[in-house]
Amino acid sequence: KAGVTQTPRYLIKTRGQQVTLSCSPISGHRSVSWYQQTPGQGLQFLFEYFSETQRNKGNFPGRFSGRQFSNSRSEMNVSTLELGDSALYLCASSPGPGTDSYGYTFGSGTRLTVV
Amino acid sequence: QKEVEQNSGPLSVPEGAIASLNCTYSDRVSQSFFWYRQYSGKSPELIMSIYSNGDKEDGRFTAQLNKASQYVSLLIRDSQPSDSATYLCAVKGPNSGYALNFGKGTSLLVTP
Repeated sequence: KAGVTQTPRYLIKTRGQQVTLSCSPISGHRSVSWYQQTPGQGLQFLFEYFSETQRNKGNFPGRFSGRQFSNSRSEMNVSTLELGDSALYLCASSPGPGTDSYGYTFGSGTRLTVV
Repeated sequence: QKEVEQNSGPLSVPEGAIASLNCTYSDRVSQSFFWYRQYSGKSPELIMSIYSNGDKEDGRFTAQLNKASQYVSLLIRDSQPSDSATYLCAVKGPNSGYALNFGKGTSLLVTP
């Protein structure tokens, strides 16, 4: 059974640019969550999608957005990149609502560096 | 105030000893509790989940939950150098929309 697939693994962008990250959840999982991990703040919740709808959102500016497709694959977009957006972006997959006691399975992450 | 608190460490234990990792949370209605292990440069990996007060054992790992004290712990018996990693406590509940809230993690170093 394939795990959570995130692409690309590494990305270098310039301030002011935008970036799109992709996540394919475990087959059969319908919920995708995104997290930002930095040394100072740890893992911070960005948003969660289920059935192409944003179910929950963390405390991040509107520059951070996401979407989910009918096949459960998800993308997140960061516009007008800032140096502080440099982080490891992690996607996590779970079966979906009704399984709220279920822990997430994480992908390998996308390491974004903004220069 | 951070919702999930962990001592950042590093916690250093000799090989074969018991490592005890602690976590406190502020949201009293939290319902589900998880421990993740993260090796340097890797993504978090789920190692334990617990939902009811008491102990839950899985191999060398034991998770302990005390909802009255809002406290979760992870015990690692017979610690091995391969257990050296950062351990993340995560909590889920209705007040966070069932999003996983993570602590910043405790760094564990098991010395041979």
